[in-house]
Amino acid sequence: KQEVTQIPAALSVPEGENLVLNCSFTDSAIYNLQWFRQDPGKGLTSLLLIQSSQREQTSGRLNASLDKSSGRSTLYIAASQPGDSATYLCAASFLDSWGKLQFGAGTQVVVTP
Amino acid sequence: ETGVTQSPTHLIKTRGQQVTLRCSSQSGHNTVSWYQQALGQGPQFIFQYYREEENGRGNFPPRFSGLQFPNYSSELNVNALELDDSALYLCASSFGGDVQETQYFGPGTRLLVL
Repeated sequence: KQEVTQIPAALSVPEGENLVLNCSFTDSAIYNLQWFRQDPGKGLTSLLLIQSSQREQTSGRLNASLDKSSGRSTLYIAASQPGDSATYLCAASFLDSWGKLQFGAGTQVVVTP
Repeated sequence: ETGVTQSPTHLIKTRGQQVTLRCSSQSGHNTVSWYQQALGQGPQFIFQYYREEENGRGNFPPRFSGLQFPNYSSELNVNALELDDSALYLCASSFGGDVQETQYFGPGTRLLVL
């Protein structure tokens, strides 16, 4: 069974500290992995998409890595700000269920001023 | 370029009723996917439509059905509503085909079943 897991479920850091969010998946036959941000009661905002042939993607303060052999992706957010407070979800698209995103439960992040 | 829009934003129904949710995809996108997100959980895949045909379905009963129209907008229909159907329903559009691109999500429809 293909599963995507995010640990921890919640995280609190002081402003300015770097954030490290983890995502693990059970099937290495992955097509791509996407990171999303969700604000309370809102839809999902796409942050980064990593294709299976890539090892990382960067956008501004965000960097995401992908290691298929270990079944892990990590999202780094540099110099966190209170505006980064949100729930972060990772989602994998596997080769045998192409187009279907399998989501983790998310990590709720609070950045304190 | 307009983003993904969904209507209505909120809805209250009673058990046994039927509901239709609507989604307008982003300009240039031909694929729409629907997800159900219960409180505190990640979204669960319901189904996907590509060029008006169902292109994959998750573990949801047949009372969840959908349509995609020639302009690539989409509907999600749920019959015989149950209390557990209370959730945020999200649609996502993308450009599908030989390559699966980033999926862009709408703001969601929050459904409460009483």
